[in-house]
Amino acid sequence: GENVEQHPSTLSVQEGDSAVIKCTYSDSASNYFPWYKQELGKRPQLIIDIRSNVGEKKDQRIAVTLNKTAKHFSLHITETQPEDSAVYFCAARNSGGYQKVTFGTGTKLQVIP
Amino acid sequence: GAVVSQHPSRVICKSGTSVKIECRSLDFQATTMFWYRQFPKQSLMLMATSNEGSKATYEQGVEKDKFLINHASLTLSTLTVTSAHPEDSSFYICSAYITDTQYFGPGTRLTVL
Repeated sequence: GENVEQHPSTLSVQEGDSAVIKCTYSDSASNYFPWYKQELGKRPQLIIDIRSNVGEKKDQRIAVTLNKTAKHFSLHITETQPEDSAVYFCAARNSGGYQKVTFGTGTKLQVIP
Repeated sequence: GAVVSQHPSRVICKSGTSVKIECRSLDFQATTMFWYRQFPKQSLMLMATSNEGSKATYEQGVEKDKFLINHASLTLSTLTVTSAHPEDSSFYICSAYITDTQYFGPGTRLTVL
């Protein structure tokens, strides 16, 4: 099955700096890569996603890059703000019929004011 | 607004009892729903795929006789934790797809004393 690794597990940045989270996946059949933000005790919220036919996608301060050959993708948050503090999960979706998603291990981001 | 609901949001029970968690799709039909479990400071782990009108598909290592799943209608899937023990204490989250986007329920915090 799919295996998604995520680094780093924790990340502290000063407000205004950039944050980068990296993930690798193992199944070359995966074709959809969402990123989720989860605040304590709440459901994961989709913040951005990328499909395998695209190398980069940007939405305001958030961008994601995908390297299919190397099987890795990254989340970039620029101009970080304290409200960006949360746990971020990358994920990879199986291209099979049930759309099963495998999550990375998570990155706890702390933005220091 | 929320498109997937869960009930209850929080439940405390005694060891040995059974607990039922409901997952509902709001204003759309979901032939497939997913049940995840999340232990503190860990990632979401897929437990099973719930299929309307047929048996659920369980992930490796998940006991199907302990975690009973019933998807009796196109808008409701239930997860019953039978003979719950303290090690079953966790955050249980369901999800469903609208076309290509996965929506998560708000989660159910289960505490087994």
